[in-house]
Amino acid sequence: GAVVSQHPSWVICKSGTSVKIECRSLDFQATTMFWYRQFPKQSLMLMATSNEGSKATYEQGVEKDKFLINHASLTLSTLTVTSAHPEDSSFYICSARPAGGVYNEQFFGPGTRLTVL
Amino acid sequence: AQSVTQLGSHVSVSEGALVLLRCNYSSSVPPYLFWYVQYPNQGLQLLLKYTTGATLVKGINGFEAEFKKSETSFHLTKPSAHMSDAAEYFCAVSDRGTGGFKTIFGAGTRLFVKA
Repeated sequence: GAVVSQHPSWVICKSGTSVKIECRSLDFQATTMFWYRQFPKQSLMLMATSNEGSKATYEQGVEKDKFLINHASLTLSTLTVTSAHPEDSSFYICSARPAGGVYNEQFFGPGTRLTVL
Repeated sequence: AQSVTQLGSHVSVSEGALVLLRCNYSSSVPPYLFWYVQYPNQGLQLLLKYTTGATLVKGINGFEAEFKKSETSFHLTKPSAHMSDAAEYFCAVSDRGTGGFKTIFGAGTRLFVKA
């Protein structure tokens, strides 16, 4: 149980294009999903917290117009990198916290490798 | 504010030897503490967590960790390393602040296991 999927697992795009990454909780409902960014050999940096049916809460320094987050249902959140540039190349990981979860246990997706040329 | 410090970005042990990965945290309220493992190009897998109660927690794959409040530590151990344990390990702290739950990750420790 508690499986989170991400799609696509990797994507290569041209500079200036937009890329959408999906995060799905497959066997549980997630009122909260989190989006992280991980640079090579570094830790995860929280980008934003996404609550179903409401606007995402972005961490300081994360451009909300650049990284659009939508959490339209209890099992799906999407991250759209708009007008991507090479510096946006990174490993993006989502996680989902089950509805009713008490200890903030999160289940992580496998990640999406974004390369912007 | 929360923070997590993992001592040692790299740890190398021989197969069969003790694994000790160090983690110290700071939190203004009683924290929830986690250890995650990450294999290359994959997401994070929960090894174990401390929430309340017993301070020695056992996780998957033979790992365990002890919450020591006086030392603000949550070190991860395994009595006997296996080659398959080679991976990146992240310690994380989570507590409820004004903005709700937030999890902060340490910088990570890469474990190498030598044959």
